[in-house]
Amino acid sequence: KQEVTQIPAALSVPEGENLVLNCSFTDSAIYNLQWFRQDPGKGLTSLLLIQSSQREQTSGRLNASLDKSSGRSTLYIAASQPGDSATYLCAVRPGGYQKVTFGTGTKLQVIP
Amino acid sequence: GAGVSQSPRYKVTKRGQDVALRCDPISGHVSLYWYRQALGQGPEFLTYFNYEAQQDKSGLPNDRFSAERPEGSISTLTIQRTEQRDSAMYRCASSGKAQETQYFGPGTRLLVL
Repeated sequence: KQEVTQIPAALSVPEGENLVLNCSFTDSAIYNLQWFRQDPGKGLTSLLLIQSSQREQTSGRLNASLDKSSGRSTLYIAASQPGDSATYLCAVRPGGYQKVTFGTGTKLQVIP
Repeated sequence: GAGVSQSPRYKVTKRGQDVALRCDPISGHVSLYWYRQALGQGPEFLTYFNYEAQQDKSGLPNDRFSAERPEGSISTLTIQRTEQRDSAMYRCASSGKAQETQYFGPGTRLLVL
């Protein structure tokens, strides 16, 4: 059974700081991994999708990396802004199946 | 274009009643997922459709939960004889093809009294 862990559960940083969010998974036989952000009371917004054959994906100030063999992914946020404050979730899709497993999220607060 | 929509946004019901939650995916998306999300947790997979075929229902907690997508577009998640433990946010997502980026709807918050 795939287990996905995100550490830390909460993080508070001053505006402008670069930061890294972590996602660990127990079964390395994954098809892809997706990072989402969730704002309070809102739905989930897709940020980046990394296929198992890729090592990283970039979108603006966001960079996600994937190390399948060690069961880890990181989301790097450059020059953080107060608008980045949200809960960040990673979701792992196994090969050949559609049962996506989500982590419990990291709640990020960027202080102006 | 329009995103994933869900209705109702909020549903309050009494224990023992049946509820039906609706999901309208992005037009043309063949894959549709249902999730349940408890407060402070990530979404938990319930079931998956490829077109009208329900290909994975391994996440449905028990036989009171069922889902359908008869024409390969709109989907309905039905909970029979609701219990207080069914209270949660129910989320729907769609993707253009299997294993592509998922796009989530706003969710339906269900409260069972």
